Amino acid sequence: AQSVSQHNHHVILSEAASLELGCNYSYGGTVNLFWYVQYPGQHLQLLLKYFSGDPLVKGIKGFEAEFIKSKFSFNLRKPSVQWSDTAEYFCAVNAGGADKLIFGTGTRLQVFP
Amino acid sequence: EAQVTQNPRYLITVTGKKLTVTCSQNMNHEYMSWYRQDPGLGLRQIYYSMNVEVTDKGDVPEGYKVSRKEKRNFPLILESPSPNQTSLYFCASSLSRGVYEQYFGPGTRLTVT
Repeated sequence: AQSVSQHNHHVILSEAASLELGCNYSYGGTVNLFWYVQYPGQHLQLLLKYFSGDPLVKGIKGFEAEFIKSKFSFNLRKPSVQWSDTAEYFCAVNAGGADKLIFGTGTRLQVFP
Repeated sequence: EAQVTQNPRYLITVTGKKLTVTCSQNMNHEYMSWYRQDPGLGLRQIYYSMNVEVTDKGDVPEGYKVSRKEKRNFPLILESPSPNQTSLYFCASSLSRGVYEQYFGPGTRLTVT
């Protein structure tokens, strides 16, 4: 069965530090990839998505992610985090045009001023 | 405004008392889905619907029912709630299938005592 792994469960950073959150999936075919963010007490919102084309995808609020097919990875990055980036981040994969998204378990990011 | 709405937002109930959580979207989306979010487990899909009168089980369907009589509505029914169904529930909709970006509702926090 397809699965999504987010190995960083909890990340603590100071403001202005760089961020990279890992996401790996297990599926050898075509994938659509997503990163969602959940701010405290709020619903999930889309940060960015990859369907095809340039493997470096830019999203909202200065986030970007790189799809590396050979590594089955879609890591999320931000050069300089802000306190307002404190949230939980979820990677999600649609494998081969299936009927559903598969979510990772999430990474909780805390940014301190 | 394009949105997914859920009601109620908070619910405390007792074991065995039937309840329904409503979900409605105003984007004319074909695909709708229910997830539960639990600490350390991320989002797990309960049921999904590809269109009116078409529903299917997700990863954790036990103890839940759904119906899709109209395109905009996708209620989640707990016929006999149990404490292990205490969770945060999200409804989501998408243009089609699971391939596309999903739009999430604000969530329903359910406590079953």
